[in-house]
Amino acid sequence: ETGVTQTPRHLVMGMTNKKSLKCEQHLGHNAMYWYKQSAKKPLELMFVYNFKEQTENNSVPSRFSPECPNSSHLFLHLHTLQPEDSALYLCASSQEGRQSYNEQFFGPGTRLTVL
Amino acid sequence: AQKVTQAQTEISVVEKEDVTLDCVYETRDTTYYLFWYKQPPSGELVFLIRRNSFDEQNEISGRYSWNFQKSTSSFNFTITASQVVDSAVYFCALSEAFTNDMRFGAGTRLTVKP
Repeated sequence: ETGVTQTPRHLVMGMTNKKSLKCEQHLGHNAMYWYKQSAKKPLELMFVYNFKEQTENNSVPSRFSPECPNSSHLFLHLHTLQPEDSALYLCASSQEGRQSYNEQFFGPGTRLTVL
Repeated sequence: AQKVTQAQTEISVVEKEDVTLDCVYETRDTTYYLFWYKQPPSGELVFLIRRNSFDEQNEISGRYSWNFQKSTSSFNFTITASQVVDSAVYFCALSEAFTNDMRFGAGTRLTVKP
């Protein structure tokens, strides 16, 4: 089993749909992250969960709603998205979120297209 | 706030050439950590190296080497005798102490041609 898995790998949705992205880590880490990678912008941190508690929310629109039921699973619930939300959404995990020296381990990403 | 600049958007070399990827950072913290990640076409970022702000020793790992210079706020990455498998997007990142916010540069797309 690879360290961080993400499903689905590809998702196409209309602006009125509701969908969820799933991330699972098998590394025993306590921190999990959502990033957005657009074609014309650097990797943007969206949310951070540390020991299941959300510790960062970088001014992300409310149409993105994260959920972290336990340290191994992270979800990103999507609703009424815009075409500009089309991007690669990457999940990552690390040993412990507040120790900034910990490297993050990334999943393969979900390529999201909003029509 | 911290910032990372990778001025080289794309680099193309021929196999066996040496190539250096530049990274310049900005931070007001005295304690911080620098990282390099590789993103192959499969999409997931792969961790390559971490350096803390108190350790300016250069590091070599096989064909990879890193040159950290606080005086110029740079953390450059050199691949010696490049190979086609090195083709990827490479990201430099900075994390200040006791934060969750790792800032990434825009990335450099390296293409190694046979």
